[in-house]
Parts: sequence; structure tokens; C-alpha cells
Amino acid sequence: KAGVTQTPRYLIKTRGQQVTLSCSPISGHRSVSWYQQTPGQGLQFLFEYFSETQRNKGNFPGRFSGRQFSNSRSEMNVSTLELGDSALYLCASGEGGNTGELFFGEGSRLTVL
Amino acid sequence: AQKVTQAQTEISVVEKEDVTLDCVYETRDTTYYLFWYKQPPSGELVFLIRRNSFDEQNEISGRYSWNFQKSTSSFNFTITASQVVDSAVYFCALKGGTYKYIFGTGTRLKVLA
Repeated sequence: KAGVTQTPRYLIKTRGQQVTLSCSPISGHRSVSWYQQTPGQGLQFLFEYFSETQRNKGNFPGRFSGRQFSNSRSEMNVSTLELGDSALYLCASGEGGNTGELFFGEGSRLTVL
Repeated sequence: AQKVTQAQTEISVVEKEDVTLDCVYETRDTTYYLFWYKQPPSGELVFLIRRNSFDEQNEISGRYSWNFQKSTSSFNFTITASQVVDSAVYFCALKGGTYKYIFGTGTRLKVLA
């Protein structure tokens, strides 16, 4: 069974640009959630999608958005990039129930210059 | 509000020493789930264990053991006879009734040869 795949793995952008990150969950998983990981803040929850609907949202500005497609693949977009957006963005998939563990991808490391 | 606290930012031990990683949580939910994840240098978080709020039985898996105590709201993780391969960041997480995971800030474990 293939794991969670995130693309791209590494990218460099400049302030003001926008970026789109992609996540392909494990086959059969309907929940995809996104996290931002920085050295000072740990893992910060961005949002979760379940069956194409946003089910939960963290405390991030509107520049951060996401969506989920009918095949459960998900994208997140960050517009008007700021230096502070430099981070490892992790995607996790799950079956969507309240008891299940998450399966994480290796992340997309974004550097904003 | 829900919260997970991992007070130990970084721990260094010498190989073969035992080490305990602390996790304290807060929640008003009566039904909740606690998790431990390991993040090796590759970046991908790996699920280690799940515990539900009604099961305080301790668990042992090889060199790993977990101690769940509702009375102190703690879910501690012990590695016996640590090995260099155990070096990683370890996250404790809580999941309550909202399907949202709350992660602690992580504990970086360094096992020295």
C-alpha cells in the first residue's frame, strides 16, 4: 500500500509570491489534514478535509487555504508569502473517524526569501 | 480548551540508558484518544501508539512502554535500553470530540553512542 505522497519536497519562493502544495493520501483514506512545522512553534494545525469538505480549521490567516478533490487528493495554497511562512508543511491522511491514527507524508519544505 | 504539554524540549542520553518522555494533557471531553508519534530526521511522523480514555492499562511493546494515568492527566513514554536509532523528535497528541488532533511541541531525543 503506497504511503502519503507530498509534492514538491523542496521549494524556494520569494516574498509576495504564492505556492501550491499537493498531497496524495493513502488509498481509501477520506481525511486529509495539513500541519505547519517550525522550530519554534512545533506542529501547528492548518485544516482538515473530509470527503471534500473542510471539517476543521486552525488559527491561520486567510492567506492559507486548501481544498480536497473527489479522489481525496488535497492541495493547500499560500498566497502573498511572508518570510515567516518558511516551514515544513506536513500532510496526513486518515480514515476520518475519531479513533484512528494519522499517516504522514515526508513534507514539503518551503523557504521564503 | 484542549492542550498537550511536553515540557522536555530536548533530552540527551547515552546508549543503553532508559529514558522517559513526559506528556501532560488537558481536555474536558470524557472520551478522548492519546497518541505518540516519532519523527526521524526524514521528517515523516510515524505512529507509535494510541490509547483511549477508558483504558488505563499500561502497554509494553519491545523496548517501548507507555504509562497512562488519568488522575494526573499524563501519558508518559519510556524507552528501555535506548539505541542510537531511537534518536528522533517524539510528539504526544490528543484527539477529542472534534476530530482535531492537538499535538505537543515535541521532545527531541538524542541517544549518544
